[in-house]
Amino acid sequence: ETAVFQTPNYHVTQVGNEVSFNCKQTLGHDTMYWYKQDSKKLLKIMFSYNNKQLIVNETVPRRFSPQSSDKAHLNLRIKSVEPEDSAVYLCASSTRDRGNERLFFGHGTKLSVL
Amino acid sequence: SQWGEENLQALSIQEGEDVTMNCSYKTYTTVVQWYRQKSGKGPAQLILIRSNEREKRSGRLRATLDTSSQSSSLSITGTLATDTAVYFCATNNAGAKLTFGGGTRLTVRP
Repeated sequence: ETAVFQTPNYHVTQVGNEVSFNCKQTLGHDTMYWYKQDSKKLLKIMFSYNNKQLIVNETVPRRFSPQSSDKAHLNLRIKSVEPEDSAVYLCASSTRDRGNERLFFGHGTKLSVL
Repeated sequence: SQWGEENLQALSIQEGEDVTMNCSYKTYTTVVQWYRQKSGKGPAQLILIRSNEREKRSGRLRATLDTSSQSSSLSITGTLATDTAVYFCATNNAGAKLTFGGGTRLTVRP
């Protein structure tokens, strides 16, 4: 059962526009992530937030910025999208099982940049 | 990269057959996790195997971990069409972030 909710499911936009994606988790987890998944299904971590503090930023372009109001929400803003930003953006929250992290993903937001 | 293979692999089998998917990693890990991603959904954890376990079973799933060769496998017995998905292995040391391998696209034909 889904407990990480992403909106929108799809978004089509043009180069140079700004887009925002929303993510909410109802699991009570302290850490949330954004991953980018390309057309070959490769998953690359973009950001993680732990209690509203950015703890990982995998050198993504500066036009990407995470935004969080509380530990249950982590949004992603892309300022001035580029064609290479076309991908599926997956939000996840995590918990630890005997010290090892387990991720719970949303269904993803598919971005198409024309 | 942490992974020996980052390109998406593809397997196509008939329903009822058994299948084994492999992944290899380059750096030390204490745990390997396997995730499954069905079409239009996000990945979901299937099974976790620790470095002190050589084999772990869950229903029709069997995971193995060979720390000497730094490789792991996931086997599914008696596959169903609903097993069609992309399967990922992922590693992290305690306290480190989870990183994913390139994935295997499994198609099970009814």
